[in-house]
Amino acid sequence: KAGVTQTPRYLIKTRGQQVTLSCSPISGHRSVSWYQQTPGQGLQFLFEYFSETQRNKGNFPGRFSGRQFSNSRSEMNVSTLELGDSALYLCASSLQGHEQYFGPGTRLTVT
Amino acid sequence: QQQVKQSPQSLIVQKGGISIINCAYENTAFDYFPWYQQFPGKGPALLIAIRPDVSEKKEGRFTISFNKSAKQFSLHIMDSQPGDSATYFCAARSGNTGKLIFGQGTTLQVKP
Repeated sequence: KAGVTQTPRYLIKTRGQQVTLSCSPISGHRSVSWYQQTPGQGLQFLFEYFSETQRNKGNFPGRFSGRQFSNSRSEMNVSTLELGDSALYLCASSLQGHEQYFGPGTRLTVT
Repeated sequence: QQQVKQSPQSLIVQKGGISIINCAYENTAFDYFPWYQQFPGKGPALLIAIRPDVSEKKEGRFTISFNKSAKQFSLHIMDSQPGDSATYFCAARSGNTGKLIFGQGTTLQVKP
């Protein structure tokens, strides 16, 4: 089975811009979760989607949003980018209630 | 109460030695405890996971020990190898959701 894929792998954006990141889960997995990883804050949960519905949300501002499509692929969007949004954004997929498998991440740099 | 506290922050072990990383939690609703290994430039990879109805789980050189009453769990890496040098994260989750709460990570260096 192919693993979790994320695109793009690297991205450089300017403050104030917006960005969309994409995640394709493992085939058959309907749960997709997003995490932000930074050296200072570690791995922090952003949100989870299951069957196109947001099921959980972390403590991030409304500038961070996401969605899931009927094929379980997910996108996350960050609007009005800030320097502090520079991070590795990871997505993970799972069968409900089972192990989560992470993708390689998208490295976002905001200048 | 949602935190998972991980220690040590960094660890240096000789090849062949035992690496031990500890985690503690407060939320008794947590019912699933995975460990992830992450190499630079890669996403975290699931190593091993345990549920609180067992006190120990072993997979190859990796063992999780779980103490429900103390709300602590640990990862033991036996016969540590230079290829094990990576950052290790413990995590916890409650219910059948995709929300993992991660520890701060431990950077392990195994010296040849």
